[in-house]
Amino acid sequence: GESVGLHLPTLSVQEGDNSIINCAYSNSASDYFIWYKQESGKGPQFIIDIRSNMDKRQGQRVTVLLNKTVKHLSLQIAATQPGDSAVYFCAENTNNDMRFGAGTRLTVKP
Amino acid sequence: KAGVTQTPRYLIKTRGQQVTLSCSPISGHRSVSWYQQTPGQGLQFLFEYFSETQRNKGNFPGRFSGRQFSNSRSEMNVSTLELGDSALYLCASSLDRSADTQYFGPGTRLTVL
Repeated sequence: GESVGLHLPTLSVQEGDNSIINCAYSNSASDYFIWYKQESGKGPQFIIDIRSNMDKRQGQRVTVLLNKTVKHLSLQIAATQPGDSAVYFCAENTNNDMRFGAGTRLTVKP
Repeated sequence: KAGVTQTPRYLIKTRGQQVTLSCSPISGHRSVSWYQQTPGQGLQFLFEYFSETQRNKGNFPGRFSGRQFSNSRSEMNVSTLELGDSALYLCASSLDRSADTQYFGPGTRLTVL
């Protein structure tokens, strides 16, 4: 995992709006990426994954976009709901090693 | 399928004591990884076990150890506890490699007084 500071990046959205959470990765050799959601007091929960041979993958209300050129990954949540409030972090697989990002705290305002 | 389970969920210990945490992976998963999560450091990799062997180890002192049993269940042990060991300890299981999708348990919240 990566060492990160005490303060996570935060994103505050209105209920019903779309959310976009970003993640920059460092290794161009990374070939597999995962987004996790972690609610307060719980373990991380798998949301969606994408392999490096894809640019986009859709799930239920979530879409992951991968831009290998700039080594950027994003998670889009459609029609954000209060239950989406959590910390979201990405993970990348490089040479059989999974590394986790620091996370972004998403707050949904009713 | 049942998810990853961890016991106990909460634990309070004092400095100098030792603690053992338990993790039962998803049925059929053979790789178990352990992480320490703190607000200041995020998710820090401790070690990974596969087929009862430690396959990978993070940068933690020798006070942190683990093992895996033949049924893939895993335990981690922390000896001579320090205040800084207070954290959420997460276990994650995956099919064959830690690089496969990891599914996390709810964690054990350890508080060292």
